[in-house]
Order: sequence, then structure tokens, then C-alpha cells
Amino acid sequence: EIVMTQSPATLSVSPGERATLSCRASQSVSSNLAWYQQKPGQAPRLLIYGASTRATGIPARFSGSGSGTEFTLTISSLQSEDFAVYYCQQYNNWPLNTFGQGTKLEIK
Amino acid sequence: EVQLVQSGAEVKKPGESLKISCKGSGYSFTSYWIGWVRQMPGKGLEWMGIIYPGDSDTRYSPSFQGQVTISADKSISTAYLQWSSLKASDTAMYYCARRPGTIPFDYWGQGTLVTVSS
Repeated sequence: EIVMTQSPATLSVSPGERATLSCRASQSVSSNLAWYQQKPGQAPRLLIYGASTRATGIPARFSGSGSGTEFTLTISSLQSEDFAVYYCQQYNNWPLNTFGQGTKLEIK
Repeated sequence: EVQLVQSGAEVKKPGESLKISCKGSGYSFTSYWIGWVRQMPGKGLEWMGIIYPGDSDTRYSPSFQGQVTISADKSISTAYLQWSSLKASDTAMYYCARRPGTIPFDYWGQGTLVTVSS
């Protein structure tokens, strides 16, 4: 099983600033990495797939990068609606597509 | 519009059986995998298993193999997750989600909260 490790567990950032979230895979997942956003009481929402492709309707302030084992989600200028929990997921290893444990992005 | 609509919240006792559902609409139900994801209270997302309704090909996470059963009825565009004997540790929110062939879960159901308590 591929283990996905996200850091930090909690990130405190002020609105308007940049946030950088990290995700590391225990073995290479190529570019088969997705990011999801989950707000309280809601289902997760797909933000990024293929490590860097924004899903339909996702604002350009969200960007993803990386390949192999190291990945980054960057939110360029935080809006109030961006404070949420973010999960990475590898989908290189079929069918067990494991999730990271999540990073909570909170208002500083 | 693509939609996945899940059945409502359930409260059950340990040892009881349960089957929850996920109905797809707005797309060809038989052409996309449907996965199930568990989220225990205050915790992260866990990939449980996945089914291809077109031919009922089903795969499970080793952590959930033998603990749950995933099935689908393509005639009514509905996927299911079932337990034969619930435990208190099955208390969680369960999500279904659609997986296109080459990208991960793009549409999610609203979730079904399962509470198991004596």
C-alpha cells in the first residue's frame, strides 16, 4: 500500500497571503496525484488532478505541482472561502487509491 | 447535470445489518466506476472499495475486504454498500464518488451518516 503523508497537519495563514501545502508518497505515483478540499459538513470537492490540472470550475489561484513522490498545492491569495481541510490522493496504484491524512488550513 | 444522491442517515444497533445506496443521474451510470469512502468522526478520508456497474467488477481495500460488500444495480443506476453485522466502530460518514477512467473522484454524493450504538 502506498502511504501518503501530508504536512503540516495545520497551517495558519492570513487572508490574502499564499498557502503552500505538501504531500509526500511512500513510493513514486508518477503524476497520478489529486487534491481535494473539504469544508465542514460538506463532501470533498476535487480541485486538482494529474498533479497540476485544475478541475472544472476551480479558480486559478489554486495550483498544483510535483511528480514522483513530492507534491505541492499552492493557493496564491487566500480568500475566506478557502479555509478548509485539504487532502491529497494517489491514484497510480490501482485499485487502492490512498488518501493523505489531511491538512487543515485555518485563519491566522 | 451529474448527481450522486445517497440514502438518508441511519441509526442501528451492533450486530444489525444495513445497506445504503447511491443513485447516479445525468450520465451513463454503467460507464464510470463508483467508489466508497469512509470518514470517521473528526478523521480523514479512507478509500474502501470501488465497483464498475457495467460488469459489476468490484475491488476492495484490504482494510475493508470481508467487512463490507459493494454492489450495484445498473437497471436503476444505483450502487450499494452493505454490512451484515455492524459494529460501533462502523460509525462514520460514508461517501460515494464517481471515478472516470483516468482521473480520480470527480463527483461525490452528499454522504450518509451511519451511527451504530446500543
